[in-house]
Amino acid sequence: GAGVSQSPSNKVTEKGKDVELRCDPISGHTALYWYRQSLGQGLEFLIYFQGNSAPDKSGLPSDRFSAERTGGSVSTLTIQRTQQEDSAVYLCASSAGQGLSYSPLHFGNGTRLTVT
Amino acid sequence: AQSVTQPDIHITVSEGASLELRCNYSYGATPYLFWYVQSPGQGLQLLLKYFSGDTLVQGIKGFEAEFKRSQSSFNLRKPSVHWSDAAEYFCAVGGIGAAGNKLTFGGGTRVLVKP
Repeated sequence: GAGVSQSPSNKVTEKGKDVELRCDPISGHTALYWYRQSLGQGLEFLIYFQGNSAPDKSGLPSDRFSAERTGGSVSTLTIQRTQQEDSAVYLCASSAGQGLSYSPLHFGNGTRLTVT
Repeated sequence: AQSVTQPDIHITVSEGASLELRCNYSYGATPYLFWYVQSPGQGLQLLLKYFSGDTLVQGIKGFEAEFKRSQSSFNLRKPSVHWSDAAEYFCAVGGIGAAGNKLTFGGGTRVLVKP
């Protein structure tokens, strides 16, 4: 597609429920990132996938968060047993090559998650 | 660990006036530096980037930024602001190697433009 696509654009869920957020990166982009943007905050790195390498999960805030990337393309971020502090905009980005010098990140419009 | 500080949370500027947004970074090696803009209801858009070479880089929409290694800064400037520049601006740092492939963002500066 023309850009990074994320779905749903908005998600309201009850505390304790699980949610799945989806990201379709730009076709051919090998790197995929998930970031979280809380109200009034900057972007917090969550996880990074590069090709078939093991993902960099160093930013995941707890074991309730997980992500996978199937076939090197679509990615799903899963949050189990959601808490109110998980409410944020979850942003996905992709880039074309290994390393930031090859291609900067292209961001999707995000999924706004609200946990009630 | 890499980090980015944007000291100004909000800036209000009159249309036609100049704008400068501050960014200070901490990074253990040669940094890659970026400025992104997030307009209301839109995704983040890359304004400009610095990898190496000339320390004054030009970007889209009339923006420029200057890399100053001695001050660990990468301030963003625009000589004459337009109303459409009202948005939130994020500075980010990354680098080479596996640890550097992730961008670390500052907290953002929200720019309001007065008519």
